[in-house]
Amino acid sequence: EPEVTQTPSHQVTQMGQEVILRCVPISNHLYFYWYRQILGQKVEFLVSFYNNEISEKSEIFDDQFSVERPDGSNFTLKIRSTKLEDSAMYFCASTSLYGYTFGSGTRLTVV
Amino acid sequence: KNEVEQSPQNLTAQEGEFITINCSYSVGISALHWLQQHPGGGIVSLFMLSSGKKKHGRLIATINIQEKHSSLHITASHPRDSAVYICAVIGIQGAQKLVFGQGTRLTINP
Repeated sequence: EPEVTQTPSHQVTQMGQEVILRCVPISNHLYFYWYRQILGQKVEFLVSFYNNEISEKSEIFDDQFSVERPDGSNFTLKIRSTKLEDSAMYFCASTSLYGYTFGSGTRLTVV
Repeated sequence: KNEVEQSPQNLTAQEGEFITINCSYSVGISALHWLQQHPGGGIVSLFMLSSGKKKHGRLIATINIQEKHSSLHITASHPRDSAVYICAVIGIQGAQKLVFGQGTRLTINP
């Protein structure tokens, strides 16, 4: 069964550093997403991506965040200058007509 | 803004019991998902519903669009069903983004 693959599974970074979270969505899916879950809280929508551009973004997705699909397969989330409050589990997902498929997540810890 | 509320927040039961988790949402939707999150954090989609009822093995999901309410049932529960179950909805407009409930932590004791 096709999978959404995320790397790395864990990342520890110092405050102020840039991080790039990587995802390989399912190839014939059309919409791609990033969500995050701060420990103990609900999963929150960050951004959706369709036809090589952002289709919707949340209030959380401010100027420190960016997404790219650089080579037609990878889908990346960049956080330019990490803050302590960016510590969370970040999930990539993609959708077909039949529903959502989530990646296994990247646990980001900012110290 | 769509709010999604689940009940109960925590549920502990004995193996074999029939389990019901409820989900209510505040505005119109195009679809509702039931998701399962295991302790490692990964999320798996169980069902996507826009009307009626779906069944997969021991899991049954129902939705009442008029009442803005959905339920997830587990028959003959087993310790391996222990997980967090999350209801999430897709609004009528927009890019198919999910709005999540807070989750129900289910523990099944042997």
